[in-house]
Amino acid sequence: NAGVTQTPKFRVLKTGQSMTLLCAQDMNHEYMYWYRQDPGMGLRLIHYSVGEGTTAKGEVPDGYNVSRLKKQNFLLGLESAAPSQTSVYFCASSPIRDPTGGETQYFGPGTRLLVL
Amino acid sequence: EDKVVQSPLSLVVHEGDTVTLNCSYEVTNFRSLLWYKQEKKAPTFLFMLTSSGIEKKSGRLSSILDKKELFSILNITATQTGDSAIYLCASDTYGGSQGNLIFGKGTKLSVKP
Repeated sequence: NAGVTQTPKFRVLKTGQSMTLLCAQDMNHEYMYWYRQDPGMGLRLIHYSVGEGTTAKGEVPDGYNVSRLKKQNFLLGLESAAPSQTSVYFCASSPIRDPTGGETQYFGPGTRLLVL
Repeated sequence: EDKVVQSPLSLVVHEGDTVTLNCSYEVTNFRSLLWYKQEKKAPTFLFMLTSSGIEKKSGRLSSILDKKELFSILNITATQTGDSAIYLCASDTYGGSQGNLIFGKGTKLSVKP
């Protein structure tokens, strides 16, 4: 199993450009997540999905859109990139929440995005 | 290969107990060690440790880093049922073309009344 993979690994954009980050998982997980990580701020949830065809907003959704057309893929889109979106983006997936309420998330390696 | 290893993977205690969670790391270009608490959807940030021997505290939680022995511990005193969660440890590194965080698999803590 490859686990959770992300593409691209690194990207430089100009302000106003658009791009899509791809997250793929081969563990048949129901839940998928997109986070951003900024220095000194830890992880912040952007959007998440509890199953194919569903998406929901997280803590910092503005400026981003997502789609989960296939169970194994979760796409994060930036329609008009801004310098404030310079960050490291992590994707994660998890199986259906277990009855005790916990769920282990499996993280991808991250994508570094620089918006000039 | 960079890696972060947490132990134990799961732990069951009773309210009032004190627990110690362990995190060891082997990474190049180490910058800091982060602890997260994960209850439902998203992990929440607990601590960032950059210097050895300096304890960080937040209420009943505390953490310390040993950069010589390459490990960190997270202590929780007088545990409560609300402490039940998965605790993630991650190593933050300098440089690289992609994300810098390397996560451990987590320790699942269950606190029983």
